[in-house]
Amino acid sequence: NAGVTQTPKFQVLKTGQSMTLQCAQDMNHNSMYWYRQDPGMGLRLIYYSASEGTTDKGEVPNGYNVSRLNKREFSLRLESAAPSQTSVYFCASSDRGQRNQPQHFGDGTRLSIL
Amino acid sequence: RKEVEQDPGPFNVPEGATVAFNCTYSNSASQSFFWYRQDCRKEPKLLMSVYSSGNEDGRFTAQLNRASQYISLLIRDSKLSDSATYLCVVSLTGGYQKVTFGTGTKLQVIP
Repeated sequence: NAGVTQTPKFQVLKTGQSMTLQCAQDMNHNSMYWYRQDPGMGLRLIYYSASEGTTDKGEVPNGYNVSRLNKREFSLRLESAAPSQTSVYFCASSDRGQRNQPQHFGDGTRLSIL
Repeated sequence: RKEVEQDPGPFNVPEGATVAFNCTYSNSASQSFFWYRQDCRKEPKLLMSVYSSGNEDGRFTAQLNRASQYISLLIRDSKLSDSATYLCVVSLTGGYQKVTFGTGTKLQVIP
């Protein structure tokens, strides 16, 4: 019962370094999402992919890029990490266009930028 | 006004008590509603969907009031294991899910 799998679970970077967060789902969902969660801010959408081949900006896209590699995989890239990007990152997936279809989350990547 | 608003709490209740949370939303076109539970430093997990007629799952009851634009979650016979943050989630449907998460209400059940 893998569901949504994120790697890595923890990462420490230096300012200016780049890295890619990986996400894969095995539920055959069309839509995938990347969120960040900061204390007192709740979950904020970074980017989403409504279906394979499409990506769109969410609420806080600056400093990030994404790739929907195939239906299963959706990666998030930090090109030049900044301390403000220290956060917990969650990937999620859901069926598209269906009422009452909830999002399913991975267990997160805890990222610290020094 | 925030799209989804919740009282952050914390709600400190004794074991066995009944506790209720409300969540208000601003977009009257919202179509789907959910309650999620999030434990400290863990991912959000779906607790239950919220249906127009209201729905129950064991000790948990969810209600939707479209006229006043709020949803509620009632927990009966609180257990220590219910201690968590409860997130209200509202979505527009159509093409993709534009989903908005509340910042959560913290519940602490006390022995």
